[in-house]
Amino acid sequence: KAGVTQTPRYLIKTRGQQVTLSCSPISGHRSVSWYQQTPGQGLQFLFEYFSETQRNKGNFPGRFSGRQFSNSRSEMNVSTLELGDSALYLCASSLGPDMWGNTIYFGEGSWLTVV
Amino acid sequence: SQQGEEDPQALSIQEGENATMNCSYKTSINNLQWYRQNSGRGLVHLILIRSNEREKHSGRLRVTLDTSKKSSSLLITASRAADTASYFCATVYNNNDMRFGAGTRLTVKP
Repeated sequence: KAGVTQTPRYLIKTRGQQVTLSCSPISGHRSVSWYQQTPGQGLQFLFEYFSETQRNKGNFPGRFSGRQFSNSRSEMNVSTLELGDSALYLCASSLGPDMWGNTIYFGEGSWLTVV
Repeated sequence: SQQGEEDPQALSIQEGENATMNCSYKTSINNLQWYRQNSGRGLVHLILIRSNEREKHSGRLRVTLDTSKKSSSLLITASRAADTASYFCATVYNNNDMRFGAGTRLTVKP
């Protein structure tokens, strides 16, 4: 069974641009969550989706958004990029619906550099 | 923001030795999870321990949870060079939020 797949793995964007990251969960998993990892702030929860609905959201500005499709694939979008958005963005999936009550599986992440 | 705090921040040991990492948190939790992350890679789930459990084992890993002290420990026995990684604890509270600690960087020297 394929693991959680994130694309692209690496990308460079310019301040003010927007970016869309994609996540394909493990087949059959319906819960998807996103996390940001930076040297300064560490790992932080962004948001979580189940059956196309955002159930939980971390403490991030509205520039960070996401969505989940009917096939459970998810995307996150960051608009008006700032230098501080440079980070490793991790996606995770779980069989659900209790996202964090069971094992969650992480993808390898998308490295975003904002210049 | 982070809730869990791991200590030590960095730990260096010889192969075959045991490694102990600790995690403290601030509020009541639903469960606590430990993850491993190799440099620049995704996280690998190690163990989940629920708030009503006190100890769990998985292979060479042993996790304890003391809810009265709001702390957990991860013990890796008979460490190997391949155990070199960063280890994070993550706490789940209110069933709708997960907070990670800053992590412990473990180096196991062959």
